[in-house]
Amino acid sequence: DTAVSQTPKYLVTQMGNDKSIKCEQNLGHDTMYWYKQDSKKFLKIMFSYNNKELIINETVPNRFSPKSPDKAHLNLHINSLELGDSAVYFCASSPGTSGHLEEFFGPGTRLTVL
Amino acid sequence: AQSVSQHNHHVILSEAASLELGCNYSYGGTVNLFWYVQYPGQHLQLLLKYFSGDPLVKGIKGFEAEFIKSKFSFNLRKPSVQWSDTAEYFCAVNSYGQNFVFGPGTRLSVLP
Repeated sequence: DTAVSQTPKYLVTQMGNDKSIKCEQNLGHDTMYWYKQDSKKFLKIMFSYNNKELIINETVPNRFSPKSPDKAHLNLHINSLELGDSAVYFCASSPGTSGHLEEFFGPGTRLTVL
Repeated sequence: AQSVSQHNHHVILSEAASLELGCNYSYGGTVNLFWYVQYPGQHLQLLLKYFSGDPLVKGIKGFEAEFIKSKFSFNLRKPSVQWSDTAEYFCAVNSYGQNFVFGPGTRLSVLP
């Protein structure tokens, strides 16, 4: 059983389009995250959700909007895609928001904007 | 704010060579420390973690790391690398109430 799953694995789209990436975790974790990994492999947190509530939103353009329909899902919707949005997006989850907890990562979604 | 640095951007070794990847962090309080590995085209996987106790931590695949609090360091080691260890390695730190902060990563290339 996959602990953290993401769909799609690959996404190729044109500039200006709107797209969504879905994430689901079956670990019963309270907290879910979205990370962006750029072409230089640098990982940066975008959003953190705890029990369906946004608890952190780093400096991310408001074209990016996370949606958490329930504790097990955290989807990422991106409006008006730009070339610079091309990256690998990782979803992750952890049991809570405090320290002493590791994060479990999904397989990633490689987004290419043409 | 916390920050994590990794000394080496790209390390190239021959098989059977010993490995040490550096990691330093900036936060002065109690921290939890992690090393993640990302094999080509794959997601991040946890190699090992330190929360408390013995500062020498053993992880999967023969990796270990040593937490030296006075140096704010958590270096990753392996006595003898294999070609299959070729990957990107990320050091990460978190502390109570804080999100993970990842280092910039170190690419390891092991030549057969």
